[in-house]
Amino acid sequence: DGGITQSPKYLFRKEGQNVTLSCEQNLNHDAMYWYRQDPGQGLRLIYYSQIVNDFQKGDIAEGYSVSREKKESFPLTVTSAQKNPTAFYLCASTFSPLMNTEAFFGQGTRLTVV
Amino acid sequence: QKEVEQNSGPLSVPEGAIASLNCTYSDRGSQSFFWYRQYSGKSPELIMSIYSNGDKEDGRFTAQLNKASQYVSLLIRDSQPSDSATYLCAVNGVTGGGNKLTFGTGTQLKVEL
Repeated sequence: DGGITQSPKYLFRKEGQNVTLSCEQNLNHDAMYWYRQDPGQGLRLIYYSQIVNDFQKGDIAEGYSVSREKKESFPLTVTSAQKNPTAFYLCASTFSPLMNTEAFFGQGTRLTVV
Repeated sequence: QKEVEQNSGPLSVPEGAIASLNCTYSDRGSQSFFWYRQYSGKSPELIMSIYSNGDKEDGRFTAQLNKASQYVSLLIRDSQPSDSATYLCAVNGVTGGGNKLTFGTGTQLKVEL
């Protein structure tokens, strides 16, 4: 089955730790995206990548980092510089970097700081 | 002004009624418009996409786009309790680094028995 797989589903982070959220897709999509969702806030764009080895900051990139070494993979690292990381993180992909096609979403990762 | 605006709701409608969800956007260069449905704790799923002015119908769902007014709406006919969810409007826009998809904050819909 084609789709986007995010792991883990739940993640707990201690203060000061870096954690990495995984996102893998087998849809052969060019573009991949990371969104953060807080209650009542909708989806906010963290980073996006239109091609391999290239990515751009979204609206709330501070405290996050990404890499795009393979077309299928777009991991997100939440660094200790992100002061309020507790949120629902969603990875998405589109066939075209032009975003004129629909975005497919993974199941999400719920990150909690303990 | 937010790039994509939606009334957060909740919007309550009785079962069998028509639910009307609205969205406005600020980027006049936007070309693609999407409605997603999101159940609590789940990821969004695409309901409708629309690219040109007018109406687009798919089953019980109708998307309406008016680019001159920068307005897109979603009508749900014969609303069912299973339609109770948050509906997200998404609009593509061009930034300095390329295209990005921007979401509204979502409208919570409650369909009451």
